[in-house]
Order: sequence, then structure tokens, then C-alpha cells
Amino acid sequence: NAGVTQTPKFRILKIGQSMTLQCTQDMNHNYMYWYRQDPGMGLKLIYYSVGAGITDKGEVPNGYNVSRSTTEDFPLRLELAAPSQTSVYFCASSARGKLDTEAFFGQGTRLTVV
Amino acid sequence: GNSVTQMEGPVTLSEEAFLTINCTYTATGYPSLFWYVQYPGEGLQLLLKATKADDKGSNKGFEATYRKETTSFHLEKGSVQVSDSAVYFCALAAGTALIFGKGTTLSVSS
Repeated sequence: NAGVTQTPKFRILKIGQSMTLQCTQDMNHNYMYWYRQDPGMGLKLIYYSVGAGITDKGEVPNGYNVSRSTTEDFPLRLELAAPSQTSVYFCASSARGKLDTEAFFGQGTRLTVV
Repeated sequence: GNSVTQMEGPVTLSEEAFLTINCTYTATGYPSLFWYVQYPGEGLQLLLKATKADDKGSNKGFEATYRKETTSFHLEKGSVQVSDSAVYFCALAAGTALIFGKGTTLSVSS
């Protein structure tokens, strides 16, 4: 049972480059999320999706874009990388949005922008 | 707005010591409350949860009670082990997403 899978695990980008962080889940969850984790700051919500074709902004969406063409996949796009986007990125999914059930997290992508 | 405040770390304990990590929250209504744990190099895993006032969540010897009157959800364990060394996050469910505290690093030595 793979759960939530993120790729790549590590990446170094130069300022101004772009990249896509991949996230896929095999639990048929409707809700998916992208968080970033900065030291001593906890996790901040970037974007979320309540189902295929539907996405919405979280707390810190600037500089990012997402799409949700299938239930399984929720890629996060960085168009013009900036040093402030150096962080660890986590994708998560849950069965329904009330979140009284468990959210499942991927292992994270550590991104460094230089 | 919704927010979670948890005690600053790091917390350093000897094996078999008692653990308390404080967590308080601000929210409208009665959110579900959670503790997540992050082991080194891994993603977050649900440790325990409580969905209504006075509920007690428990797992792997950890416990937390949903206290509406004090808006708290403190994490406790009677006897910690070296394998409990990790970062612990308190969280609440708000709308369609989780709001996390900043995390508390626990280090247990033998």
C-alpha cells in the first residue's frame, strides 16, 4: 500500500528556474493538500483540492500553482523559483474534508533555491 | 481566526521520564484536534485525535484530552523511550484543512 508518494525527494534549483513537485495517492481520497514546512514555523497550507478539477488557495499560495486533473494526482508548480521558496514540501490527502479522519502525508520534497 | 499554540522546544528527557507537551487552540465552534508525529526524514503521521469535548485520544502510550473549558489538548506520556524522539505537532481541523502548531522537538536519551 503506497499511500501518498512524492517525487523528487531532493532538488536544488537556481533562482528563476521552474519545476513541478509531483504527488500521487492510491487511496481514492477526494481531498489533497500541499504544505510547506520551514524550521520553527510548523506547516503552512499552500493549496488544496476537494476533488478533481477543483483547487483553492491556502495561507501562502504566492509563487505556486496547482492542478487536479485526476483524483490521484496533485502536482505543485513553481514558475520562477526564489530563495524564499527554500523549504520542505509535503503533500497530504484525506478521505473527506472535515478531517475528523486521518490525513496521510508523503515523505516530503526538500527544495533548495540558490 | 483559527490558530494553534504549542510549547517551544526542544524538550530533552531521560528515558522513562514523564512527558507533557502543552497545546492550546483558538477556533470558532468545536474543531477536531490532533497530534501528529514526525520522525527524522519522514512525513507526518497521525498519533492520536479527539473529535469532541472531553474525548481522550490515546495511542502508543501517549494520551491527550480535549478540554473545551481551557481550549487545550496537552500531550502526555508516562514513560518515554529513546524511540519517541521526534517532532510533535498539535493541529486542529478548520474547514477543509489542518492548522498546525510550530512543532515541539523531543529528544530522549538513555
